[in-house]
Formats: sequence, C-alpha cells, structure tokens
Amino acid sequence: EVQLVESGGGLVQPGGSLRLSCAASGFTFSSYSMNWVRQAPGTGLEWVSYISSSGSTIYYADSVKGRFTISRDNAKNSLSLQMNSLRAEDTAVYYCARDRVGLDHWGQGTLVTVSS
Amino acid sequence: DIQMTQSPSSLSASVGDRVTITCRASQNINNYLNWYQQKPGKAPKLLIYAASTLQSGVPSRFSGSGSGTDFTLTISSLQPEDFATYYCHQSYSTPWTFGQGTKVDIK
Repeated sequence: EVQLVESGGGLVQPGGSLRLSCAASGFTFSSYSMNWVRQAPGTGLEWVSYISSSGSTIYYADSVKGRFTISRDNAKNSLSLQMNSLRAEDTAVYYCARDRVGLDHWGQGTLVTVSS
Repeated sequence: DIQMTQSPSSLSASVGDRVTITCRASQNINNYLNWYQQKPGKAPKLLIYAASTLQSGVPSRFSGSGSGTDFTLTISSLQPEDFATYYCHQSYSTPWTFGQGTKVDIK
C-alpha cells in the first residue's frame, strides 16, 4: 500500500525557518516525481514545488521561489521541503503528493502556522 | 501562468441527481487535466486523470470529458458520499494550477 507521511509542521514566527519531511513507503520511491501542494485555511489548493524522480529537475511556484528548497533522498525514501523567510501567507496545510499522471497519492498533510 | 476557472463555485443537489462541473483553462492544455475530490479535513483524492481516464478504484458514476480549454466532470447519480469539494488541476505546464473548487452540498 502506498503511504506518504508528512512531518515537521508547527508554529513559527515570521522570518523563521521550518523543514518538512515526507516519508514514502509501499512503492519504488526513486521511480516517481514528487510535489508539495499547500492549502491555506478555508481556501483552495496551491501547488508549491516539483522534483523529478532523480532530483535533476526542480520547479517552484513564484510565491516561494528563493525561499523554499525541495530535495529528496532516494536511498531513504524521503522528500523534504526547507522553508526559510516564512511569511504569514505561508500558513497552510502542506501535502506531499506522488506525481504519476495526475497526483495519484497524497499524504495526510502537516500544518504550518506562521505567526508572532 | 495558466488560469483554471471552475463553475459553479458551489451547488446544492439531491441524492440521485446528475451533477456537472465545468473547468476552463486560459489556454490550450490538450488533455493535461485532472480532477480531485476533497472532503473536510482530508487530503484530496484523484478521481480522473488525462481529462477522461478514471483512476483505479473510483466508481464509474464519475466521468470526465473535454480537451483543449474546456473540461467537464460528471457524476451520473450523486451518492451521499459524494458531497465534497471538487478541484480541477492542469499538469500541462508549470506552475501547475488548480481551479478554485466546486463545493457540492446537500439540497
């Protein structure tokens, strides 16, 4: 069974940093591209970042470019999102999602709250 | 960026109703269009990919159609478990973008 489990969310002050992780199991992690998608409270879905299966291709939404860094460790079946210079508008539930044709498996999400 | 516009934003329907949700892209995205269902407090679930292909395990009352800029998600006979919010998503070019969502609630 495919499982994606996010961790690392929490409360952080504006300007602070946080590192999210996504532990993958039940499939060959190194064969799939992965994404981070977020959802601010009461709003819709916003794509954040993409990383190819090998890690050689990376994309970011303009809203996080220069502040967030996506990475993966295929040996550890792990996806990460390093978030720096956090802003109030980054407050959201962050999901990792497997990229097949469409985002076919999602984690349960981890809540990031940016507030003083 | 490609804008995805869903309509309606919300609708009220009864069990057994046929429900249609539309999604329009601001430019041609061929068939790189996916549909998701999200229930409160839960992660989105992929229903349809490549505009019309049913994801494994998804009931056949769900169907998708369209190509280019105009797409449709149809639920042929609404069931109690289908009350949720539905999102379209283009995976044609980055930044991937989602529609604003269509909330389907009980009439």
